[in-house]
Amino acid sequence: QQQVKQSPQSLIVQKGGISIINCAYENTAFDYFPWYQQFPGKGPALLIAIRPDVSEKKEGRFTISFNKSAKQFSLHIMDSQPGDSATYFCAARSRDSNYQLIWGAGTKLIIKP
Amino acid sequence: KAGVTQTPRYLIKTRGQQVTLSCSPISGHRSVSWYQQTPGQGLQFLFEYFSETQRNKGNFPGRFSGRQFSNSRSEMNVSTLELGDSALYLCASSFGQGAQGTEAFFGQGTRLTVV
Repeated sequence: QQQVKQSPQSLIVQKGGISIINCAYENTAFDYFPWYQQFPGKGPALLIAIRPDVSEKKEGRFTISFNKSAKQFSLHIMDSQPGDSATYFCAARSRDSNYQLIWGAGTKLIIKP
Repeated sequence: KAGVTQTPRYLIKTRGQQVTLSCSPISGHRSVSWYQQTPGQGLQFLFEYFSETQRNKGNFPGRFSGRQFSNSRSEMNVSTLELGDSALYLCASSFGQGAQGTEAFFGQGTRLTVV
């Protein structure tokens, strides 16, 4: 199944709180899992990425947690700030399809001051 | 290093017309992918070109077509425009060689409005 299911569709978090966005997949041929951040009027930009041989990757306030057996991965944003308000997309790279990126539906995150 | 350049940024067309959008990838990148993004929708994959060949294709009607030139620049064409084609069209470039260089760099998009 060439799908990545992302949830929630939208999320409101208080400033300083933890934002958590989840993604799930079925295809075991996925071998690379990036997260992209998109601000209004801009194209998405790579935020952080992980490979399936690692269970967690942290870059500043952003952490990817990866559960290979459950085929799930999530983005955690610690100490969420109003500047983090954006749409977040998870994706998975498919070895089956010339390394095409398969995208989640996106999560609109709003951080309330 | 210059980023991905999409032209034009904004476009208004009438139903039934056709339109051509352009994308210049980052220098050295050989893969160009096109996406359609509508409000509340995610990134709908249109197609990917690598070294002038279409390598992957999404589930869009044949009215949507593309091509890539020898300098890796790509164009996307939509014929017989429909109101539902109004969207932000994003182009992403990547090195695209096998498992390496998958990181996609996006342009700012072309906002197409069909009236």
